[in-house]
Order: sequence, then C-alpha cells, then structure tokens
Amino acid sequence: QVQLVQSGAEVKKPGASVKVSCRASGYTFSSYYLHWVRQAPGQGLEWMGIIKGSGGSARLPQKLQGRVTMTRDTSTSTVYMELSSLRSEDTAMYYCVRDLLIGDKNLNGMDVWGQGTPVTVSS
Amino acid sequence: DIQLTQSPSFLSASVGDRVTITCRASQDISSDLAWYQQKVGEAPKLLIYTASTLQSGVPSRFSGSGSGTEFTLTISSPQPEDSATYYCQQLYSYPFTFGPGTKVHVK
Repeated sequence: QVQLVQSGAEVKKPGASVKVSCRASGYTFSSYYLHWVRQAPGQGLEWMGIIKGSGGSARLPQKLQGRVTMTRDTSTSTVYMELSSLRSEDTAMYYCVRDLLIGDKNLNGMDVWGQGTPVTVSS
Repeated sequence: DIQLTQSPSFLSASVGDRVTITCRASQDISSDLAWYQQKVGEAPKLLIYTASTLQSGVPSRFSGSGSGTEFTLTISSPQPEDSATYYCQQLYSYPFTFGPGTKVHVK
C-alpha cells in the first residue's frame, strides 16, 4: 500500500539544524510531488514547500527561503527536509505528504500523509 | 501570498443538523481548493479536492462547492465522529496556504 514513513523525533538547541527524512513506498516515486507541512502545538497547518520526485528544485515560501532545504534520493525513494537556524517557534510536528495526481494533473491536494516527526527546539 | 479566511472559527452541532463552513480567498483561485479534516492527535485527511470532488472513501455526507473566492464545505447529516478541525487549502499559486481552521463539535 502507499506509505510515507518519516524519521523519528528530534530535540535540538536553538541555532542548530534538523534533517527529517520521508521514505515513500507503494507507488512510482518519480511521478509525484511531495509536500512538507508543519503544525506547531495547538496551532493550524503551515505549508513549507514542495519537491518533485523526478527532479528539479523545490518551491518554498519566501519566509522559509534560506532556512529550508529539500532534497531527494531517487535510489531509495526518500525525500529530506532540512531546517537550519532553529528557534523555539520551529517546535512543531512536521509532515511529508504526497501530492494528489489526477490523470496527468498534479497539485490537486494532498492525499497520503506521513506519520509526522515531532521536532522540539529547546535550550 | 493568497490569504484564506474561514468562518466560523468554531461551531457546535447536533447529530443530523446541517453544517456549513465557509472559506474565502483574498483573490480568485478558480476551483483550486482542497478541504481536510483533522482529528485530535492525528494527521489531516483529504476530504475534497478541486473544490467539489469527493476523495475516494470519504462519506457522501461531505460535499464541497464554490469557485473564485468563496467556497463551502457542507456536512449534510453530521455524526459524532465528524468532530474535528477542518482546514481549506488553496493550490492555485505558491505558497499553497491554508485557512486558519474551523473546529466542529458534533453532539
């Protein structure tokens, strides 16, 4: 079955970096985009960016440009999201999510979610 | 960036009542809108995409409508298991912003 399995919980100090992995299985990795979404405790959802399984650069919101790097390893069907210069406001659950592909049209929604990776930033 | 607002922020409904949530976009987003349901402690779940298409496996009591700047999610006969927070998201242009959410309690 289609599955996204993320790496485990992280605790980091302010100023450090964190790298979260997301391994895909059960579908053709190169045919789909993957999004990253985060949710701070008790807060709403924040879209962090998107990367295509087959290649190309990630698209990131301006507020995260310079701090977020998204990469992929097609040999293992894994995407990575690295967030640098961590601050307390980055404490959140981080999700990788598969884009919904309808026919040959991408970007319809997000249909398969990883289990989430909690990241805590604390001194 | 495109801003999304949702109303109401919170609503309480009885089983069998009709529930309607509105999502408004700061500019025309055509039909590039999705709705998600998130229960406490769980990842969100896709309910509706392209404004009105029901995702596979989602009960038919959920429906979506609208285009342009105004959209609605309707639960025709809500059940206690529909108690959750509902988010809209636009996929018209980057960044793909979310609405702030509507918390629904069904009693």
